[in-house]
Amino acid sequence: DQQVKQNSPSLSVQEGRISILNCDYTNSMFDYFLWYKKYPAEGPTFLISISSIKDKNEDGRFTVFLNKSAKHLSLHIVPSQPGDSAVYFCAASAASGTYKYIFGTGTRLKVLA
Amino acid sequence: EAGVVQSPRYKIIEKKQPVAFWCNPISGHNTLYWYLQNLGQGPELLIRYENEEAVDDSQLPKDRFSAERLKGVDSTLKIQPAELGDSAVYLCASSLAGNNEQFFGPGTRLTVL
Repeated sequence: DQQVKQNSPSLSVQEGRISILNCDYTNSMFDYFLWYKKYPAEGPTFLISISSIKDKNEDGRFTVFLNKSAKHLSLHIVPSQPGDSAVYFCAASAASGTYKYIFGTGTRLKVLA
Repeated sequence: EAGVVQSPRYKIIEKKQPVAFWCNPISGHNTLYWYLQNLGQGPELLIRYENEEAVDDSQLPKDRFSAERLKGVDSTLKIQPAELGDSAVYLCASSLAGNNEQFFGPGTRLTVL
């Protein structure tokens, strides 16, 4: 049973445009959400996070939106740059303090120059 | 600051052979995680350590997998004997106690023939 789902395995976006990556979850106990970026042959690197008490968190070109009623979060990258081409994983954790992440399957983003 | 170090980066073995992976976390990080990542999937937690103590090993297949974190710093994950289905990337991550952000190493790609 996949508790965290990223239904789009891949996404292509033109440089300078907005990239929107989506993530859905089923467990209403999740209270902390993160996005990680992964380049080939490297480990995932932390990008941005959001607590369930917020509905938006912004860091430079990256914004994460959380819709708790829909159990949906999205990552917006604007403007997209070729260096953003990577696999993006969303992750969720429940009962803050256990720090056990459940990861989605990832979305491969390709930003076209 | 040095990141999470893992070795070896790549390992190819015959089935039924033993294999071990090593991880050195970021200095000062008490919490250490081992993850398994299959192709096209997100990382899945195998075991989490708080200092020397394994606080969550519910996902570790204990019939063939074992892990240790002597002295609460470096950790070793072992598989004995390896099976074909163990081919995957094994990721190590670390974090400060009480902190939700995990830092990942580059992983060890295991191929079992």
